[in-house]
Amino acid sequence: DAKTTQPPSMDCAEGRAANLPCNHSTISGNEYVYWYRQIHSQGPQYIIHGLKNNETNEMASLIITEDRKSSTLILPHATLRDTAVYYCIVRGSNYKLTFGKGTLLTVNP
Amino acid sequence: KAGVTQTPRYLIKTRGQQVTLSCSPISGHRSVSWYQQTPGQGLQFLFEYFSETQRNKGNFPGRFSGRQFSNSRSEMNVSTLELGDSALYLCASSLDGARGLETQYFGPGTRLLVL
Repeated sequence: DAKTTQPPSMDCAEGRAANLPCNHSTISGNEYVYWYRQIHSQGPQYIIHGLKNNETNEMASLIITEDRKSSTLILPHATLRDTAVYYCIVRGSNYKLTFGKGTLLTVNP
Repeated sequence: KAGVTQTPRYLIKTRGQQVTLSCSPISGHRSVSWYQQTPGQGLQFLFEYFSETQRNKGNFPGRFSGRQFSNSRSEMNVSTLELGDSALYLCASSLDGARGLETQYFGPGTRLLVL
């Protein structure tokens, strides 16, 4: 699986959009970009995933660049409950998720 | 639909003992994966089961083992516990797993403390 690079931490004001970047310059054509988040001591929560096109669901939007070398997870209106570690994972068909260190997003009141 | 459940949620053991953790996947899900999370190593893949067969395995010693039952429920066992086995053990299930691309959904985890 391709390696990902994320900033170790980010801050965001409550009510604002949180934009979390991820670099995955070695991604292969058949690898998906997945985002999970983990609130302290809980199991990771699936957020969204995509291959080439931008994706949106009730939680977030995923923007993937045309060359697929980077992506951005957007939480449109961050709340205090969105404070968590966010993991960007590039995954091929090998049944496992390879987690990096992720980005600690702190939403401030 | 109920999510992934794991029992027990917390466990305290002493070195040398063994432990069995249980995972019930989301109804209809046939693939179950196990992960270990420690402050030092982060989240690491242990193994994955599909149709009662271990299909993929991470880089953990043989003390770590697992199995899956016909109803897709899974257990993992750690024998001869070491202090370094203290961790949050997470189970994740996915719908089919045949293509290896289905989304994995995680349970709340079992926190194991080895004294």
